[in-house]
Parts: sequence; C-alpha cells; structure tokens
Amino acid sequence: GENVEQHPSTLSVQEGDSAVIKCTYSDSASNYFPWYKQELGKRPQLIIDIRSNVGEKKDQRIAVTLNKTAKHFSLHITETQPEDSAVYFCAASMRNTGNQFYFGTGTSLTVIP
Amino acid sequence: GAVVSQHPSWVICKSGTSVKIECRSLDFQATTMFWYRQFPKQSLMLMATSNEGSKATYEQGVEKDKFLINHASLTLSTLTVTSAHPEDSSFYICSATGTGYGYTFGSGTRLTVV
Repeated sequence: GENVEQHPSTLSVQEGDSAVIKCTYSDSASNYFPWYKQELGKRPQLIIDIRSNVGEKKDQRIAVTLNKTAKHFSLHITETQPEDSAVYFCAASMRNTGNQFYFGTGTSLTVIP
Repeated sequence: GAVVSQHPSWVICKSGTSVKIECRSLDFQATTMFWYRQFPKQSLMLMATSNEGSKATYEQGVEKDKFLINHASLTLSTLTVTSAHPEDSSFYICSATGTGYGYTFGSGTRLTVV
C-alpha cells in the first residue's frame, strides 16, 4: 500500500517568514495530493490540493509543488501569520470515488508574532 | 455543498459500556465513508472503509468485533465502540465521499472512557 512520509514534524517560523513542509509518497499510482490544516480538536480542513498532471498550484499565500518523478510534494506558505499556526497534514490518493487517503504524520507549525 | 455531520461531538462513558457515533452526509450521497482515529499530536489513522450496503473493510490491527461499523444508507454510517476501555479514549473522525463529491470530514468525536 501507499506510504506517505512528512517532514518536519514541528516547525517554528517568525511572522512574515515562509514555511515549507515536504512529503514523499511511495505508490506511483497515486494521482491526487491534498493538504489539510487541523486546529486543535477540530476537523481537518482542505487548504489546497494538486493533481498529478500539474506541477504547481498557488492560492494566495499558499502553494503546492509536485515532482512526480521523485514522488514528492511540498506545501509553501509565504508571509506567515499567527493564525497559520496549526497542524498540517499531507495526503496521497488515487483520485477516484471511494479511494482512501493515506495521510502523512503531520507538521505542527507555530508562527511566532 | 458537501457537508458531513458527526454526532456526538464529545462523549464520556464508563468502562465496559458501548458508544455509538453517527456520521451523516447532509447534502450528498456518500457511497463510501471512512473512519479514522487520532491520538493527541498524531496523524489520522484509518480504521475502516465502509461502502453503502456492504460490510466494512478494516485495516490491519483494528478489531472488527470491537469497532462495529454499519453503513446502511447512502447518508449514514455508524461506528459503535463496544465494551469500551480507557485505552479506546481518542478522537474519532469520519469522512465521506460520493460521486461528484470530494472527500469531506465530519467534525469529529472526542471519546473519553472512564
């Protein structure tokens, strides 16, 4: 089955700096890679996703890059703000209805004011 | 669109009793629902996958007789933790997907067994 690794497990940045979280996956059949933000005790919220036919996607301060050959994808947050502090999870899936998501181990991001 | 409701949001039960958690898709037909368990500061661990009208498929290491999953309709799946013990205390969260609808999480249930 799919194995998703995520690094780092914790990350602290100064407000205004950029944050980068990296994930690798093992199954070349995976073709959909979402990123979730989870605040304490709440459900994960989808913040951005990318499909395997795209190399990069950007939404305001958030961007995701995908390298299919190397089987890794990354989340980039620019101009970080204290409200960006949360746990972030990457996931990999085969994008068909009913296929499960395999989650990374999570990154706890702290943005220091 | 794509709203998934999960109840209860938190529950405290005595050791040895059973607890039922409901996961409902409110505005779409959820052909598949997933149940996850999350320990503090850890990732979501898939427990089982349920397809409407079929028996759930459990991940390795998850006791199917202890975590009973029912997906009797296209809008409702239930997880029953039977004979709960303190080590079952955790955050349980469901997610649902259906044709034309992405992967949507429920709000989660904090279970505390005392």
